[in-house]
Amino acid sequence: DIQMTQSPSSLSASVGDRVTITCRASQGISNFLAWYQQKPGKAPKLLVYAASRLESGVPSRFSGSGSGTDYTLTISSLQPEDFATYYCQQYYSSPPWTFGQGTKVEIK
Amino acid sequence: QVQLVESGGGVVQPGGSLRLSCAASGFTFSNFDIQWVRQAPGKGLEWVAFIKYDGNDRYYADSVKGRFTISRDNSKNTVHLQMNSLRAEDTALYYCARLATSGGYWGQGTLVTVSS
Repeated sequence: DIQMTQSPSSLSASVGDRVTITCRASQGISNFLAWYQQKPGKAPKLLVYAASRLESGVPSRFSGSGSGTDYTLTISSLQPEDFATYYCQQYYSSPPWTFGQGTKVEIK
Repeated sequence: QVQLVESGGGVVQPGGSLRLSCAASGFTFSNFDIQWVRQAPGKGLEWVAFIKYDGNDRYYADSVKGRFTISRDNSKNTVHLQMNSLRAEDTALYYCARLATSGGYWGQGTLVTVSS
């Protein structure tokens, strides 16, 4: 099974900061990677799929990049509504389709 | 609009069974693969099971293989997760969801608590 290592597990940032979250797969996943945002008490919300494709309606300050085993979610200018926990999920080949451990973005 | 609504959660004793349902609306259900994902209290997301749009392919996490069974009824726009031999570590909020490649829609979840 493919393991996803997400880092950092948490970070503190200020409004306006640029934030970067990384996921590393235990083997190449050919851009079959999604990023989700989850706020307390809510279901996860899809932000990015296919590593870099922004889901419809998601603000352009979010972007995804990467290839092979290493992928990144970037928030170019952190907004108050972006404080949440972020997860990556690989969906390469057949399941199991594993999630990263999550990154909690907190207010500095 | 696309909706996924989970039901069937509750409190069950260790070794017991529950059957979760996921009712879909707002899209052509028989065209879409569905996954179940769970989240233990205060923990991260864990992928649980997957069923292909026609029900012909099914996959499970190792942690539930042999105990959980995923099925679907395309005539009723519903996916089920039959959970047997439940353990304390199965306690979680269970979500059904479409895949990220098809919009990544999620339900609001149904809570399963395994406790004596």
